[in-house]
Amino acid sequence: NAGVTQTPKFQVLKTGQSMTLQCAQDMNHEYMSWYRQDPGMGLRLIHYSVGAGITDQGEVPNGYNVSRSTTEDFPLRLLSAAPSQTSVYFCASSPTGRNYGYTFGSGTRLTVV
Amino acid sequence: GIQVEQSPPDLILQEGANSTLRCNFSDSVNNLQWFHQNPWGQLINLFYIPSGTKQNGRLSATTVATERYSLLYISSSQTTDSGVYFCAGPLEDTDKLIFGTGTRLQVFP
Repeated sequence: NAGVTQTPKFQVLKTGQSMTLQCAQDMNHEYMSWYRQDPGMGLRLIHYSVGAGITDQGEVPNGYNVSRSTTEDFPLRLLSAAPSQTSVYFCASSPTGRNYGYTFGSGTRLTVV
Repeated sequence: GIQVEQSPPDLILQEGANSTLRCNFSDSVNNLQWFHQNPWGQLINLFYIPSGTKQNGRLSATTVATERYSLLYISSSQTTDSGVYFCAGPLEDTDKLIFGTGTRLQVFP
């Protein structure tokens, strides 16, 4: 049982490049979400999904796209990377979004130069 | 306004000391949870504590929902307790889990 798997662990992008951060879970959780963590600012919600085919915006959605075609996968796409998107990105899943049972991935450290 | 606020922002302890971390949350946040992020960045769910008190070993948490605050107690702290402690809760009637800015705890031997 792998839990929540994020790839890659580290990535350096040039401004304007696009890329996809991968997130997969094997716990059959309906709820998945993406956060970014910046120094001194805690975790901020980017996008979330309550099930396959359903996504919604969080606190800081601009510059990011998501889709949820299967229960297991929830990729995060950066369309045109900017230095302001340099951050550590965490994916999380839980049986529901409102209660106990959150499992976080180990994070992706992204640097945009 | 600020929906989830934590104090203190930083805490330095010697091994064996006790500590109390506080989380204040607004009317629009419920179903409080506490998380620990270890020095390697891994986030672990500690407690789901919408109200009342729960204990897990040396850690316990109390939430007084009517007064909009939660406390995390760490007794007989160990160096492995070091890291950042976050409280979080979903915005009312949504699945958006909102985090506080955290309390960074350093425990020295």
